[in-house]
Amino acid sequence: DGGITQSPKYLFRKEGQNVTLSCEQNLNHDAMYWYRQDPGQGLRLIYYSQIVNDFQKGDIAEGYSVSREKKESFPLTVTSAQKNPTAFYLCASSRTGSMNTEAFFGQGTRLTVV
Amino acid sequence: SQQGEEDPQALSIQEGENATMNCSYKTSINNLQWYRQNSGRGLVHLILIRSNEREKHSGRLRVTLDTSKKSSSLLITASRAADTASYFCATGRYGGSQGNLIFGKGTKLSVKP
Repeated sequence: DGGITQSPKYLFRKEGQNVTLSCEQNLNHDAMYWYRQDPGQGLRLIYYSQIVNDFQKGDIAEGYSVSREKKESFPLTVTSAQKNPTAFYLCASSRTGSMNTEAFFGQGTRLTVV
Repeated sequence: SQQGEEDPQALSIQEGENATMNCSYKTSINNLQWYRQNSGRGLVHLILIRSNEREKHSGRLRVTLDTSKKSSSLLITASRAADTASYFCATGRYGGSQGNLIFGKGTKLSVKP
């Protein structure tokens, strides 16, 4: 089945720890995105990548880092510099970076600081 | 920065009734998309309407776009309990961040059996 897979579904982080969220797609899409969703605030863009080995900051990139070494993979690291990381994280991909294409989403990772 | 804003924030209806959600946006757009999210899950694309289109249908969904008023509406006809979800509009962003979508805060729809 073609799709976009996020793991893990639930993740717990201790104060001062870095954690990495996985996002893999087998749709052969060029563009991939990371969004953060907080209650009542909709989705906010963290980072996006339109091509392998290239990525750009979104609206709330501080405290996060990404890499795009392979077309299929776009992992997100939540660093200790992110002061309020508890949220629902959504990864998405689209065929191209064009605004005319729909985005396909993973099922999300819920990150909680303990 | 929020581009699309959905209205109402929450909507509760009985099964069989129609549900209408609205989206307003601020700047020029290339297209507007509607997505659905079941609680605790990822978003699913419903429909895309281009700036030169006024109306589009997909099954029980009807989307309209009024670029002069910078607004769009999503109508779900003959609603079902399974339509219970949050619905988001998203607009494409011009400029240096080309290619990414800006989402509104969503309308939470509850359909009671």
